[in-house]
Amino acid sequence: NAGVTQTPKFRILKIGQSMTLQCTQDMNHNYMYWYRQDPGMGLKLIYYSVGAGITDKGEVPNGYNVSRSTTEDFPLRLELAAPSQTSVYFCASSYFGTSATGNYGYTFGSGTRLTVV
Amino acid sequence: AQTVTQSQPEMSVQEAETVTLSCTYDTSENNYYLFWYKQPPSRQMILVIRQEAYKQQNATENRFSVNFQKAAKSFSLKISDSQLGDTAMYFCAFMKRGGATNKLIFGTGTLLAVQP
Repeated sequence: NAGVTQTPKFRILKIGQSMTLQCTQDMNHNYMYWYRQDPGMGLKLIYYSVGAGITDKGEVPNGYNVSRSTTEDFPLRLELAAPSQTSVYFCASSYFGTSATGNYGYTFGSGTRLTVV
Repeated sequence: AQTVTQSQPEMSVQEAETVTLSCTYDTSENNYYLFWYKQPPSRQMILVIRQEAYKQQNATENRFSVNFQKAAKSFSLKISDSQLGDTAMYFCAFMKRGGATNKLIFGTGTLLAVQP
């Protein structure tokens, strides 16, 4: 059971370049999220999805796009990288139903450290 | 809108001693979860403990326990018998229960250093 898998773990982009952060989960969770973590700021929600084909903006969506074509995958797209997007990015999934399977709660990926220069 | 405040940016404790990390939150909701997450240098987000607001009993997990004061909107984390491996950033987080999104609201974190 891999949980939530994020790739890449590290990336350096030049200003104006584009990239996609990949995220996949194997727990059949409907809810998935992208957070960014800046020093001293905690984690802020970028985008979230409540199921395949359904996405919505979080607190800090500007400069990002997402898609959710399958339950498993939730990629985050940066179209024109800017220095303000230098951050650590976390993908996560959640399940808060009544099941006692042990998948109750949030599962985070290991993060992607992105630097825009 | 909900907010989570952690007023201690950094803390230090001697190995084997006890330390308490503070967290306050603001919400008009009555049904919610509160969490403490640990983030070691590996960057991984690790769930330490979870409290459901409708439960009056404070949650405990081995050396970790919380003091949940619902009326005061306070949710502190006590770490007993501190170990070097407890050195990490600790985040307090809030989630509305039964909402449409299950999104987490995080505090800004407390960096805990356990000294040998």
